[in-house]
Amino acid sequence: EVQLVQSGAEVKKPGESLKISCKSSGDSFAPYWIGWVRQKPGQGLEWMGIIYGGDSETKYSPSFEGQVTISADKSISTAFLQWSSLKASDTGIYFCARRHPGAGTYYVGAFDIWGQGTMVTVSS
Amino acid sequence: DIQMTQSPSSLSASVGDTVTISCRASQAISNYLAWYQQKPGKAPNLLIYAASTLQSGVPSRFSGSGSGTDFTLIITSLQPEDVATYYCQKYNNAPLTFGGGTKVEIK
Repeated sequence: EVQLVQSGAEVKKPGESLKISCKSSGDSFAPYWIGWVRQKPGQGLEWMGIIYGGDSETKYSPSFEGQVTISADKSISTAFLQWSSLKASDTGIYFCARRHPGAGTYYVGAFDIWGQGTMVTVSS
Repeated sequence: DIQMTQSPSSLSASVGDTVTISCRASQAISNYLAWYQQKPGKAPNLLIYAASTLQSGVPSRFSGSGSGTDFTLIITSLQPEDVATYYCQKYNNAPLTFGGGTKVEIK
């Protein structure tokens, strides 16, 4: 069974850096796109960007480009989401999710497997 | 960017009722639409993709329809475990956009 397991909750101060992870198990990492989705407290879902496990090709939502960095290490089947300088407005739950291999084209598609989410709290 | 508008934003129905949730795209997206269920404190769960294809393992009381700009998720015979927020998502092109969500409660 394929699973995405995310790193644990983080509490940070504004201006600090952070890197959270999403580890894939149960299937090969390389053939799939892994996306990141933000959910602010009490709000809906926002697509941030996506990375291809095979060669780390990355696509960003215009709303998040320049604000975060998505990366991956296929040798450990793990995708990462990082911030160089956090803001209070970055507070939220961050989900990684696998692009459904049968629902979409290239990097755009539905997400069939989701991580459990990582809560990031940014507060002074 | 294409906007996705869901209605209603919330609803309350009785066990056994049929529930209908609508999702409208601001431009045509063919059938590149998915529906997700998110229970409190949990990650979203894919219910339907390609507007009407049921994801493996999802109960058959969930169904989807539509094409172009107007889409519908139907839950026939609502069950207590269906209490959740439901989101549509378009994926014809980037940016991938979700609807605002519909919260379903039991009356």
